[in-house]
Amino acid sequence: TQLLEQSPQFLSIQEGENLTVYCNSSSVFSSLQWYRQEPGEGPVLLVTVVTGGEVKKLKRLTFQFGDARKDSSLHITAAQPGDTGLYLCAAMEYGNKLVFGAGTILRVKS
Amino acid sequence: ETGVTQSPTHLIKTRGQQVTLRCSSQSGHNTVSWYQQALGQGPQFIFQYYREEENGRGNFPPRFSGLQFPNYSSELNVNALELDDSALYLCASSLDRNQPQHFGDGTRLSIL
Repeated sequence: TQLLEQSPQFLSIQEGENLTVYCNSSSVFSSLQWYRQEPGEGPVLLVTVVTGGEVKKLKRLTFQFGDARKDSSLHITAAQPGDTGLYLCAAMEYGNKLVFGAGTILRVKS
Repeated sequence: ETGVTQSPTHLIKTRGQQVTLRCSSQSGHNTVSWYQQALGQGPQFIFQYYREEENGRGNFPPRFSGLQFPNYSSELNVNALELDDSALYLCASSLDRNQPQHFGDGTRLSIL
């Protein structure tokens, strides 16, 4: 089983600030997914990255997959209170089994 | 298009009891996976069903069992409940085994 380590565990910032969260492993991924989960709800898929070095943008969110496909980052520009939530990275193992990191709790204060 | 729905939303049980959680898959989805999410943790894979057959299992004891029905809805059964079973139980369905998973909002199970 691949172990996914996320950092930081918790982030509290002011509206308008930028931030980056990280997802690291000693294993090579065939693909990696980022989810956001709000209190009382299930995780919602934000993006899937597949190719080493790939960069994907989703409005103010930028996702990067490491060249060696062992790590990934999520950068948020000009954070807003609506970005508050738990950010999870996950890797697909055999048989469509998702292995998740422990997550980064983001709180954006207005 | 109806999303993944889970019932009940909240449940309180005592140690030793049994519980059944239900999941209605998104229309057209033949694969369902169940996850346990303890407070402050990421979801942990319990098992997956594909076309009514178990298609992979995580590191959970046999007292965690499941079913998938011909209409692709699903149940998670847990026997002999323990305090550590307190968690959010998430169901996710996908169009097929290698397709993106769509999560329900979960059932919050509390064991007293």
